[in-house]
Amino acid sequence: GQQLNQSPQSMFIQEGEDVSMNCTSSSIFNTWLWYKQDPGEGPVLLIALYKAGELTSNGRLTAQFGITRKDSFLNISASIPSDVGIYFCAPRGRGGSNYKLTFGKGTLLTVNP
Amino acid sequence: GAVVSQHPSWVICKSGTSVKIECRSLDFQATTMFWYRQFPKQSLMLMATSNEGSKATYEQGVEKDKFLINHASLTLSTLTVTSAHPEDSSFYICSARATPGELFFGEGSRLTVL
Repeated sequence: GQQLNQSPQSMFIQEGEDVSMNCTSSSIFNTWLWYKQDPGEGPVLLIALYKAGELTSNGRLTAQFGITRKDSFLNISASIPSDVGIYFCAPRGRGGSNYKLTFGKGTLLTVNP
Repeated sequence: GAVVSQHPSWVICKSGTSVKIECRSLDFQATTMFWYRQFPKQSLMLMATSNEGSKATYEQGVEKDKFLINHASLTLSTLTVTSAHPEDSSFYICSARATPGELFFGEGSRLTVL
């Protein structure tokens, strides 16, 4: 079956440092989405990627859709305390699949002021 | 961005009772909504796809008679946890798609069954 691996599972960094996390899969996807979830809240969409090789930025966040369509990474530059939360990759397959998403296990980010 | 709202945000109930959670798309119409469940320190697991005007589609392993889903209008889907038990305690999150656009998620509803 389909395997989706997200790493690292958790990160502890100092304010101002850059962060990188990634997701890899055994399957090919047409869309890669990155969400952030604050404690007790629903996920919020950060970046959406629709083409293999696409590199997209949203402020201090940058994400890329891997050429093989089986992976994606998210970078956060110059981290700040409010970046704390859980980051999920959520790829989607061909044909929209009714927009069903598969979520990675998440990366818990802690930023020390 | 599009707004999806859930109610209640948290609920505590006794074992054996039923609980209803509402999911509303506030500024757009959604023919399809999704219900997820999230246990502590775990990822979101899709429970079912809610289709306006028709039956919901449940993921493998999710009991449709226990988790009743009704999508009576283009802006409202409800999830009813019937005869709740402590193991049903979880964070339930709905999502909906604004066309065009991606999925937006509600704030989540935390259910605690005593």
